[in-house]
Amino acid sequence: DAGVIQSPRHEVTEMGQEVTLRCKPISGHNSLFWYRQTMMRGLELLIYFNNNVPIDDSGMPEDRFSAKMPNASFSTLKIQPSEPRDSAVYFCASSFGLGQRANRPQHFGDGTRLSIL
Amino acid sequence: DQQVKQNSPSLSVQEGRISILNCDYTNSMFDYFLWYKKYPAEGPTFLISISSIKDKNEDGRFTVFLNKSAKHLSLHIVPSQPGDSAVYFCAASASNNDMRFGAGTRLTVKP
Repeated sequence: DAGVIQSPRHEVTEMGQEVTLRCKPISGHNSLFWYRQTMMRGLELLIYFNNNVPIDDSGMPEDRFSAKMPNASFSTLKIQPSEPRDSAVYFCASSFGLGQRANRPQHFGDGTRLSIL
Repeated sequence: DQQVKQNSPSLSVQEGRISILNCDYTNSMFDYFLWYKKYPAEGPTFLISISSIKDKNEDGRFTVFLNKSAKHLSLHIVPSQPGDSAVYFCAASASNNDMRFGAGTRLTVKP
């Protein structure tokens, strides 16, 4: 079974550029989550979708960040314009069920390491 | 605000001994707790969980203990193996689907 697939694995770009991160959840999962991992704050939830609808985007840091889920098998996280402080590892995760309840553990992708110069 | 805290950024243990990873939380609405393990260049993987109606859950070498009055949980690994070397994240969730992760503890098990 294919797990959660994220692309690219690494992204290095200059500040001000648009960055698009991609995620393909596990087939059959109906919740999708975007996280950001930093040394200071650990894993932070940015946004999550249920049945392709954004449910909670309170973790999105600012208007420069946007996320979409046009269908059940694809989601994007976009940063425009990017800034050096956005440098982090971004994870996508999926699960079956509503929300983040632990009785349906999330399956994580291997992450995208983003570096903004 | 950090609602879930892992105050030890790192822990080193000898192979065969017990590893104890600790986690504290502040939100009394949290009622379900998990531990995830993360290897370098990979995403976190679910390890073990516990509901607030229990104070202990065991799965092989891994046991999670929950002390609700102290808002504290711990993960015990016995015996520790070199392959257990990873970053361990504690997470807590509430019935409103709010969930928070700790910053992680890096465990090194020395042969």
